[in-house]
Amino acid sequence: QKEVEQNSGPLSVPEGAIASLNCTYSDRGSQSFFWYRQYSGKSPELIMFIYSNGDKEDGRFTAQLNKASQYVSLLIRDSQPSDSATYLCAVNSGGGGGFKTIFGAGTRLFVKA
Amino acid sequence: GAGVSQSPSNKVTEKGKDVELRCDPISGHTALYWYRQSLGQGLEFLIYFQGNSAPDKSGLPSDRFSAERTGGSVSTLTIQRTQQEDSAVYLCASSGAGGDTQYFGPGTRLTVL
Repeated sequence: QKEVEQNSGPLSVPEGAIASLNCTYSDRGSQSFFWYRQYSGKSPELIMFIYSNGDKEDGRFTAQLNKASQYVSLLIRDSQPSDSATYLCAVNSGGGGGFKTIFGAGTRLFVKA
Repeated sequence: GAGVSQSPSNKVTEKGKDVELRCDPISGHTALYWYRQSLGQGLEFLIYFQGNSAPDKSGLPSDRFSAERTGGSVSTLTIQRTQQEDSAVYLCASSGAGGDTQYFGPGTRLTVL
């Protein structure tokens, strides 16, 4: 059973702080990794994707991937109350004609003003 | 262009009835996914279509659930003899190709009384 694990939270950080969201996955064959943000009552929307080991930065967001440790994280710098949402980690295990996506259960983030 | 659309936005039905949920993906997207999300829970993968390949049905919870995709575009998820535990938000997503970023529709909220 391929799994994606996230701490459900809630993770509470003060405004302006760094929020660190973590995700582990079980399938070593996984090839692509995504972070989605989901506001309450809304659909998920992409924040970032990462394919290669290391860091990838986009504005206040940094995704980090370590395939050896099967670990992917999302850092949010200068957290804002508008960042309060559930963050979903998603992992694609491609090849063999299929790209089934496994989503983690999500981490709820609260940014306190 | 237009995003992913789903209809109906809300569906209330009685236990034992059949329901059909519709998804219109982004034009040109070859991959289409169906997920289910119960209140406060993560995304549960249901089925994945990629081009003309046989769909990955491994996430369908029972034989009461089926889905088709006509002409490589519109998809319909059918739930026969609905049960109360089928109550959830059903989300459709499409991507340009398998493994790429998924774009989600607004979802259909299904309530089985």
